[in-house]
Amino acid sequence: GAVVSQHPSWVICKSGTSVKIECRSLDFQATTMFWYRQFPKQSLMLMATSNEGSKATYEQGVEKDKFLINHASLTLSTLTVTSAHPEDSSFYICSARDLGDGFQYFGAGTRLSVL
Amino acid sequence: GNSVTQMEGPVTLSEEAFLTINCTYTATGYPSLFWYVQYPGEGLQLLLKATKADDKGSNKGFEATYRKETTSFHLEKGSVQVSDSAVYFCALRGHNAGNMLTFGGGTRLMVKP
Repeated sequence: GAVVSQHPSWVICKSGTSVKIECRSLDFQATTMFWYRQFPKQSLMLMATSNEGSKATYEQGVEKDKFLINHASLTLSTLTVTSAHPEDSSFYICSARDLGDGFQYFGAGTRLSVL
Repeated sequence: GNSVTQMEGPVTLSEEAFLTINCTYTATGYPSLFWYVQYPGEGLQLLLKATKADDKGSNKGFEATYRKETTSFHLEKGSVQVSDSAVYFCALRGHNAGNMLTFGGGTRLMVKP
């Protein structure tokens, strides 16, 4: 089956530092990847849609300069949380749409804790 | 726009009880429907899907039938286990630009031995 690898699974950082999260589709190609944020006991909130080779499309209210997205290849998208602050602490989940069957497959998520 | 409504949790059941988690949707056209499961501390896993009316998705003892007349996709399992404790998300994928998933709010299931 289609596998999406997300790394790291857990990161703790100091306030003001930047954190990069990687999302890889391991056995399929994905022109489109999605980044979600999930607050405790809540549903997923779509942050942005990332298309290979072009700029990401951000949802309303999501700061593009804060959450930098790069989708450099058909199998890799990265989310960089710049100058992280405690309010950025959350669970971030990526998803990749398989070119073959069109379905979205999800990574295991990254828990970010900003001290 | 598209939307998904699912019953609020938590749903607490005893082992071997029957499970139903209701899900209804609003969408134009003929969306595809999905159930995802999220175990504690993990990402989402696709549990089952249905792509057209009257299709039944099934996996690991869970079932859901795409009912266009009632715009529903209720999740059922005949006998739950403690290991089924998780959060379940109903979702749809429409045919609008981007074909993004729209999620319901999630329903937490707790199964007690």
